Amino acid sequence: NAGVTQTPKFQVLKTGQSMTLQCAQDMNHEYMSWYRQDPGMGLRLIHYSVGAGITDQGEVPNGYNVSRSTTEDFPLRLLSAAPSQTSVYFCASRRTGGRRETQYFGPGTRLLVL
Amino acid sequence: DAKTTQPPSMDCAEGRAANLPCNHSTISGNEYVYWYRQIHSQGPQYIIHGLKNNETNEMASLIITEDRKSSTLILPHATLRDTAVYYCIVSDNTDKLIFGTGTRLQVFP
Repeated sequence: NAGVTQTPKFQVLKTGQSMTLQCAQDMNHEYMSWYRQDPGMGLRLIHYSVGAGITDQGEVPNGYNVSRSTTEDFPLRLLSAAPSQTSVYFCASRRTGGRRETQYFGPGTRLLVL
Repeated sequence: DAKTTQPPSMDCAEGRAANLPCNHSTISGNEYVYWYRQIHSQGPQYIIHGLKNNETNEMASLIITEDRKSSTLILPHATLRDTAVYYCIVSDNTDKLIFGTGTRLQVFP
């Protein structure tokens, strides 16, 4: 299994541009989520999904959209990038329920908005 | 969601046990305690979690107080590769994990 994969690894955008950060997992996990991490800070939850067709907002959802058309994919869209969205973005997945489920994180996408 | 309090940094000598504390005084009955770590620039890595009983796996042990208001993550024999930021998280049944700023553990030779 490849686990959780993210593309691209690095991206530079100009203010106002749009882009989609890709996330895929091959573990058949129902739950997927997106976090951002700013320098010296912990991870903050942006959006999450408990299954295909179901998404919900996390702690910092403004400026981001998500969709979940398949179990495997959970893209994050920036409709109009702003410098405040410069950050490292992590995608994660895990099974819901169960006492010992493990959350798997992708390697991250480093985004710079100029 | 309940919040956690962790010391910002700790040091540990290689080969010694690292004991990382976490306070979660407002934890509710259905919330688990999770520990993750993040090695520089990588994605967070799951370590262990528990509800009220102590837990042990190949990476660490988790000790939860009887009143569940605090816990301690124990790395029994710390190595240089354990240098990382360690996050203590409490989570309810909605499957949301809110990361704080964690504890930066520095293991020295």
